[in-house]
Amino acid sequence: DTAVSQTPKYLVTQMGNDKSIKCEQNLGHDTMYWYKQDSKKFLKIMFSYNNKELIINETVPNRFSPKSPDKAHLNLHINSLELGDSAVYFCASSLRMTGPSEQYFGPGTRLTVT
Amino acid sequence: DQQVKQNSPSLSVQEGRISILNCDYTNSMFDYFLWYKKYPAEGPTFLISISSIKDKNEDGRFTVFLNKSAKHLSLHIVPSQPGDSAVYFCAASVEKGTYKYIFGTGTRLKVLA
Repeated sequence: DTAVSQTPKYLVTQMGNDKSIKCEQNLGHDTMYWYKQDSKKFLKIMFSYNNKELIINETVPNRFSPKSPDKAHLNLHINSLELGDSAVYFCASSLRMTGPSEQYFGPGTRLTVT
Repeated sequence: DQQVKQNSPSLSVQEGRISILNCDYTNSMFDYFLWYKKYPAEGPTFLISISSIKDKNEDGRFTVFLNKSAKHLSLHIVPSQPGDSAVYFCAASVEKGTYKYIFGTGTRLKVLA
């Protein structure tokens, strides 16, 4: 039973399309995150949610919209996909937002935009 | 401006020897540091952490050392095992309250049998 799961694992799509990536955690954590790992291997935070509330919103284009229907799920919707969106997207969760708390990562979704 | 740097993209070590992975940071406000291990096609997994009030934390074969004056931390793995072959990321927290972590670019460790 996977702690943090993401679907799909691979996503190949054309420029201009809209796509979603789903994330679920069964750890009972309060906080969930989306990270992007680009071609240079930088792992950068995009968003974090705490109990369904948006807490961190880094400088991310408006085409990216996270949605948290409940604290166990955090989905990422991307509109009008661009070539530069090609990357690996990781979902993560942590027990809490405040105070030191390690993050548990999903397996990643490799998005390729052609 | 990369605030957390891992200047060695790769490292090879013989099985049984010590592996030392290094990480430098520039932001003196960082107060919590973590190391993650990542296998191919998997997400990073938490390994060990250290608070800025300590200079050493040990967990089995893994020890993290923090040198605040040098803004440097290192991960020691003793003895190294082939299963330790992975990419290792260090991460640092930017601010208290919301622990947003800044990650380094990773060091690929290869432990040779």
